Amino acid sequence: AQTVTQSQPEMSVQEAETVTLSCTYDTSESDYYLFWYKQPPSRQMILVIRQEAYKQQNATENRFSVNFQKAAKSFSLKISDSQLGDAAMYFCAYRSAISSYKLIFGSGTRLLVRP
Amino acid sequence: EAQVTQNPRYLITVTGKKLTVTCSQNMNHEYMSWYRQDPGLGLRQIYYSMNVEVTDKGDVPEGYKVSRKEKRNFPLILESPSPNQTSLYFCASSPLIWTGAGEQYFGPGTRLTVT
Repeated sequence: AQTVTQSQPEMSVQEAETVTLSCTYDTSESDYYLFWYKQPPSRQMILVIRQEAYKQQNATENRFSVNFQKAAKSFSLKISDSQLGDAAMYFCAYRSAISSYKLIFGSGTRLLVRP
Repeated sequence: EAQVTQNPRYLITVTGKKLTVTCSQNMNHEYMSWYRQDPGLGLRQIYYSMNVEVTDKGDVPEGYKVSRKEKRNFPLILESPSPNQTSLYFCASSPLIWTGAGEQYFGPGTRLTVT
């Protein structure tokens, strides 16, 4: 069975600085998708960025980028120029490309942004 | 506007009193799913449906029922709620396409408290 691990329950970053959130996963599949979701205090789940495992190029969305290391099964999220609005819970998630639509989530990392 | 709606958004109930949380999507998605979110555990899948009249258990189905009589609706039923079902619940939907990282669209969440 696939698992997703986020080992940082909480992270803190100074406004305008850069922070990296860690995520590792375990799977025997070769084709899958990885996601980072943001959950602000409103509780809404917001997709931040996605990565297809067959793509070697790391995904980027404005200030958000990932470092995808397939062999190491690592998928970290880098937030550049952190803003107060980035303060939220961040979840890493895995989805198979061949066997299931289920999203498998990590336990989450709470990001605090200091003004 | 494409969206997933859930009702109610907040619910406080007592042990044993049957309740239903409704979920509706207007995107003609085949796949729908229920997740529960608990501190330190992330989101876990309760039930899912691949299409009308096709439902199956997720990872934590005990104490829950679902039905899919119409494509747009996927209600979650707690026939005899217990305090351990106090949680934040999310409904999600997605088109059934294996190619491309089909995004799952999440509802706004339902905060359930069982006393």
